[in-house]
Amino acid sequence: DADVTQTPRNRITKTGKRIMLECSQTKGHDRMYWYRQDPGLGLRLIYYSFDVKDINKGEISDGYSVSRQAQAKFSLSLESAIPNQTALYFCATSDPDTYGYTFGSGTRLTVV
Amino acid sequence: GQSLEQPSEVTAVEGAIVQINCTYQTSGFYGLSWYQQHDGGAPTFLSYNGLDGLEETGRFSSFLSRSDSYGYLLLLELQMKDSASYFCAVKKGGANNLFFGTGTRLTVIP
Repeated sequence: DADVTQTPRNRITKTGKRIMLECSQTKGHDRMYWYRQDPGLGLRLIYYSFDVKDINKGEISDGYSVSRQAQAKFSLSLESAIPNQTALYFCATSDPDTYGYTFGSGTRLTVV
Repeated sequence: GQSLEQPSEVTAVEGAIVQINCTYQTSGFYGLSWYQQHDGGAPTFLSYNGLDGLEETGRFSSFLSRSDSYGYLLLLELQMKDSASYFCAVKKGGANNLFFGTGTRLTVIP
């Protein structure tokens, strides 16, 4: 099994629909992150969580919400999807010793 | 806020050495990381520099100069499989949040 698993891998949804992207990790790390990647813009931080009770907004949190259901699970929701939320979404955990991030395989979301 | 600058594209010959530069402007700088991402894949961690100097990991080395707000990734003995995008990212404060540059697309040619 992958260290960080994201579901679904691909999703097409309609404008105005609510959608949830799920992430689970087996690294045992406390810190988890959601990033969005757009061509030419690199990765931008949406939300991050240091533990189940500690959730923080990142650079581009508007239009998104998150839930940290357990140490291993961190989900991202789009309450009412809009076309400019079409992007590649990555979940990640960070190693407190090396500061390295482990990313999931990504969810390619298309809002039509 | 923060800004990072790295070249958008670099082309190099198989077997050669390539250096990818990154300059940054940010408050609360803590360290500089490098990630590799192949097309269609996830970013993978290459290195982290918290102190000035060179860190070597196999064919990859990374350098940081905090006084110059500058770092680079050095790839030795280039292989075709090194064709990928490379991102520098600054770590701010103690939160270990990373802010990424826009990436450098490296193409290795025979």
